[in-house]
Amino acid sequence: EAGVAQSPRYKIIEKRQSVAFWCNPISGHATLYWYQQILGQGPKLLIQFQNNGVVDDSQLPKDRFSAERLKGVDSTLKIQPAKLEDSAVYLCASSAPGTVDTGELFFGEGSRLTVL
Amino acid sequence: LAKTTQPISMDSYEGQEVNITCSHNNIATNDYITWYQQFPSQGPRFIIQGYKTKVTNEVASLFIPADRKSSTLSLPRVSLSDTAVYYCLAMDSSYKLIFGSGTRLLVRP
Repeated sequence: EAGVAQSPRYKIIEKRQSVAFWCNPISGHATLYWYQQILGQGPKLLIQFQNNGVVDDSQLPKDRFSAERLKGVDSTLKIQPAKLEDSAVYLCASSAPGTVDTGELFFGEGSRLTVL
Repeated sequence: LAKTTQPISMDSYEGQEVNITCSHNNIATNDYITWYQQFPSQGPRFIIQGYKTKVTNEVASLFIPADRKSSTLSLPRVSLSDTAVYYCLAMDSSYKLIFGSGTRLLVRP
């Protein structure tokens, strides 16, 4: 079974530039998450989708971050304009219906962003 | 979701049993306790989940007492490859996971 795919794996940009990350969840997984993980910290939830609807985006800095999940499958996370403090790994995860019974989210390998 | 508290770091030696305790005093009736493992440059990976009493799988055991205010992840006979960060989390029916800083486990030869 294919896992959660993310691209690009690495991205280096200068501050005030824009960047986009792409995520393809596991087939059939209705719930998709974007997390931000700063070096030395635990992942921080940015946004959670259920199919193509937003369940929670309370931690998403909406003045510069945006995310969409068209057709309830792939998702993109965009940052515009980037700040130095956005340097982090952006993790995408997905979960199947009934996950509360198993607790299992499947994470991709992440996209590492460096803002200079 | 309940806030969880766990030790920042732990050291162990190969072949020993490691127990990582997590405190979750405000856990809600509907919350499950879930543990994840993360290696450098990888996303977190699910280890085990439980609601109460004891759960065991091929990787670990999870002990949750009756009051559910704490839980203990037990890793039997650790090896060097078990060196990682371990996260204790509460999950509710919204399928949301909120991570803390985790416990950095170092296994020495």
